[in-house]
Amino acid sequence: AQKITQTQPGMFVQEKEAVTLDCTYDTSDPSYGLFWYKQPSSGEMIFLIYQGSYDQQNATEGRYSLNFQKARKSANLVISASQLGDSAMYFCAMRGQAGTALIFGKGTTLSVSS
Amino acid sequence: NAGVMQNPRHLVRRRGQEARLRCSPMKGHSHVYWYRQLPEEGLKFMVYLQKENIIDESGMPKERFSAEFPKEGPSILRIQQVVRGDSAAYFCASSPHFDSDEQYFGPGTRLTVT
Repeated sequence: AQKITQTQPGMFVQEKEAVTLDCTYDTSDPSYGLFWYKQPSSGEMIFLIYQGSYDQQNATEGRYSLNFQKARKSANLVISASQLGDSAMYFCAMRGQAGTALIFGKGTTLSVSS
Repeated sequence: NAGVMQNPRHLVRRRGQEARLRCSPMKGHSHVYWYRQLPEEGLKFMVYLQKENIIDESGMPKERFSAEFPKEGPSILRIQQVVRGDSAAYFCASSPHFDSDEQYFGPGTRLTVT
């Protein structure tokens, strides 16, 4: 069975600091994709970053990078230079074989203070 | 280039009434996924549809819930005889083809059952 685990219910960080949000996963599919989404208080789901299981390099998108450690089955999100607008809920998700739905973790609430 | 549209954004129903949630995928997308988010939880998959076909409904409750994606028009998630436990945010996501890596989310419909 596929599973996503986010063990940090809440994280706190100061503006301009970096923060790492943890995500571990479990799957028996040889090919899979890992996603991070941001959900601000307004409720929409905003796609941040994607990592394919066969990608050789860690994905990066602006201030977001995904620290992918395949052997450890972890896909942590690193946000550099945090901003107040980064305060939100962050969800890690996984998709197994093509055409299947995303499986989400329970999320981590990030609070950025000035 | 409009994104995924969902309406209504907010829906209030009394117990026993019917709720109809609509999702218009992005232009050119023929695959739609519905997810439900209970308070303080991550998103849970409900159903995956292609035009005129249900591909996977393994996440749908067995009773009162149904979904369709007709040849013309939006995808509809229908909940009959709503109960308080149906109160949640319902998201749809669309993708252009079967093995697309990304699913584009709509803004969600927040259903409140009184």
